Parts: sequence; structure tokens; C-alpha cells
Amino acid sequence: DIQMTQSPSLLSASVGDRVTLSCKASQNIYKYLNWYQQKLGEAPKLLIYYTNSLQTGIPSRFSGSGSGTDFTLTISSLQPEDVATYYCYQYNSGNTFGAGTKLELK
Amino acid sequence: QVQLKESGPGLVQPSQTLSLTCTVSGFSLMDYSVHWVRQPPGKGLEWMGRMKYDGDTYYNSALKSRLSISRDTSKSQVFLKMNSLQTEDTAIYYCTREYWGFDYWGQGVMVTVSS
Repeated sequence: DIQMTQSPSLLSASVGDRVTLSCKASQNIYKYLNWYQQKLGEAPKLLIYYTNSLQTGIPSRFSGSGSGTDFTLTISSLQPEDVATYYCYQYNSGNTFGAGTKLELK
Repeated sequence: QVQLKESGPGLVQPSQTLSLTCTVSGFSLMDYSVHWVRQPPGKGLEWMGRMKYDGDTYYNSALKSRLSISRDTSKSQVFLKMNSLQTEDTAIYYCTREYWGFDYWGQGVMVTVSS
């Protein structure tokens, strides 16, 4: 089974900061990777699909990149409403979520 | 509009079987796949399994021996059954639609495994 490793597990940043979250796959998943945002008490929300495609309605400050085993979610200018846990998810071989990165305000 | 709603018992005894229903509206189960995802309290997301639009199923290898997913397209319902429940199966259970990603989610149903 493919393992997904997210880092860091906890990230503190200030409003306006550029924030980068990492996700690494244990084997090549090409670009079959999505990113989800989950706020406390809510169901997850799709942000990015197929590595770098922005889901409808998601602000353009969110972007994704990568291929193979290394992937990144970037928030260009952190907003207070971005406080959440972010999960990567691969669907190239089987289906696996990463353990998540919790993003908080400094 | 697209909606998914999970329903089922909030409390299940250890070793018993969990039965959940995901009732969907706004789309056809013959056009979209529906997945089940769960989340133990304070922990991350775990993909459980999928009912594909063509009726094919696929399961998490760690749960495969205990898990079954089926559907009734006439009622727009997807069913999850998992047997031999243990306390570690306590979680919020979500159903979600797949369209490029999981674009719509149910609100989730909390299931507690306890005697």
C-alpha cells in the first residue's frame, strides 16, 4: 500500500504569510493527488485535484504543485479563515490520505 | 442541488455489525461513484471503500475482510456494513461523491462502539 507522509504536522504562521505544506508518497503516484481542507467540526472540503487544478469556488491564493512522490500545497497569503487541517490524498494505486497538517495562526 | 446524508445507529456494541445508509439527491448513483471515509475522534481521515457508478466495489485492504458496500439505485442509497466492530472503530463516518475529487460530502454520522 502507498503511504503518504505530510510535513510538518503542525504549522504556525501569521496572516499574510506565504505557507507551504508538503506531502510525500512512498512510491510514484504521478499526479494523482488531491488536497482537502477540514475546519473544526466540519466535513472536509476539496481544494485541489490532480495536483494543481483548483476546485470551483476555492480562492486563488491556494495552489498545488508536484509530481511523482513530492507534492506541495501553497497558500500565497494566509487568511484567518484558512486555519484548518489539510490532508493530501492519493488515488493512483489504492486510496490513501496523509495524516494531515494542522495550520494555526501565530 | 447535490446532497448526501448518512444515517445509522449512534451506538454499536463490540463484536456487532454496523449498518449505515448514505442517501443522495441531486445526482444519480449510476453516474457518480460514492466513497466512505471515516475519522476517529481527534484523528485523521481514513478511506474505507467505494461504490463505483457501474456497481463495482473496492475496499481498503485493512478493512476488506469486515466491510461490504452495496447500493439501491432506485432509492438513491449506498449502504455500508462492517462486522466485528471494536472500540477503535469509533469514528465519524462520511459518505462522499467523487468527481475529480471528493466534491460533495455528507455531514457525517458519529458511531460509538461501546457496551
